Amino acid sequence: SQTIHQWPATLVQPVGSPLSLECTVEGTSNPNLYWYRQAAGRGLQLLFYSVGIGQISSEVPQNLSASRPQDRQFILSSKKLLLSDSGFYLCAWSVPNIPNTEAFFGQGTRLTVV
Amino acid sequence: ELKVEQNPLFLSMQEGKNYTIYCNYSTTSDRLYWYRQDPGKSLESLFVLLSNGAVKQEGRLMASLDTKARLSTLHITAAVHDLSATYFCAVDIINDKIIFGKGTRLHILP
Repeated sequence: SQTIHQWPATLVQPVGSPLSLECTVEGTSNPNLYWYRQAAGRGLQLLFYSVGIGQISSEVPQNLSASRPQDRQFILSSKKLLLSDSGFYLCAWSVPNIPNTEAFFGQGTRLTVV
Repeated sequence: ELKVEQNPLFLSMQEGKNYTIYCNYSTTSDRLYWYRQDPGKSLESLFVLLSNGAVKQEGRLMASLDTKARLSTLHITAAVHDLSATYFCAVDIINDKIIFGKGTRLHILP
């Protein structure tokens, strides 16, 4: 069965420090991968998505970047965190060539920048 | 630009009542999803809707899709407290982005 792993679950980082969040998917090949951010009490903002290795589309130009070094690995990074980067980060995957399936979400990383 | 609008954004209702959440989207969609989110948790998938006229039901929840009107609804029948959560609709353009509505925060009063 397919599973998605996202870590860490919680993270407290100082302003100006770097960030690396990792997401891996098991049990499927060539998934579409997504990074979302959710501010407290708000909706989901799409940050990046990828339809293949090395293919990254950015939705929000910020101090964040994403990479997909392997088919089932998606990494969200920042060189210098801002206070406004705090939020709940969710990774998701979908398989577009299988009908009647949805996008599945990881458990999320709650990031607090202090 | 794809836009997804949900309404209402907040809903407080009594147990036993029926209500409907609406999801409008601005462009042709390949799939439409409904999710549930409990406080502090990730998203749980409820329904996937693919074609015009699709209707799916699970317990007290029923979702429908009208692709011509670009409208999906999530209907709650005889609400119970356990259904209190935030509900999101999302539009999937295959091999492109998935855009979410702002969510409907549902609070069911005993």
